[in-house]
Amino acid sequence: DAGITQSPRHKVTETGTPVTLRCHQTENHRYMYWYRQDPGHGLRLIHYSYGVKDTDKGEVSDGYSVSRSKTEDFLLTLESATSSQTSVYFCAIGQVQETQYFGPGTRLLVL
Amino acid sequence: DQQVKQNSPSLSVQEGRISILNCDYTNSMFDYFLWYKKYPAEGPTFLISISSIKDKNEDGRFTVFLNKSAKHLSLHIVPSQPGDSAVYFCAASAPAGSQGNLIFGKGTKLSVKP
Repeated sequence: DAGITQSPRHKVTETGTPVTLRCHQTENHRYMYWYRQDPGHGLRLIHYSYGVKDTDKGEVSDGYSVSRSKTEDFLLTLESATSSQTSVYFCAIGQVQETQYFGPGTRLLVL
Repeated sequence: DQQVKQNSPSLSVQEGRISILNCDYTNSMFDYFLWYKKYPAEGPTFLISISSIKDKNEDGRFTVFLNKSAKHLSLHIVPSQPGDSAVYFCAASAPAGSQGNLIFGKGTKLSVKP
């Protein structure tokens, strides 16, 4: 298994509150990704990073921000959580044109 | 507009028989394809991949076939086992220099009956 951990694994929060999800890797991969998985949508890319302090938007980036201050950590922040952001969030690592390896996921419920 | 389509939400097969999962794509720039397997409450795990320069890749019980002219790929599992019951995602990647991410289909839930 690739060394990817996500925290927290489960979170319940209220609408309007800020939420930060953490992805930590021990593989020293340059590329890191945040996806969300929703029924009927598969996995969709939120943001990705191609190096420390280098990030870019994905398909569904509205309402999310990211930060990468160290190679091993990639943070996803919901500035003001909404019910539409209830989802399962997966972090992944891997190069373009190579296999991406996924973390165990964070299940987020926004009430 | 879906670029990667898995038109069968579910598939049920008998243990020991062949499972065939299908995937279609629309973007001719895709040149690397992957299949992931996902169990409930776990992250997707990589299963097998294929580059567009090949038309077949095999790994044990799993074989992926790529038909570039039809923009179609399929995953064959032979023989199917109950432990193969999971959701299977097809994914495609464009060449380096593009957005750098994988585009996933919506998944097919495979049930293998003992």
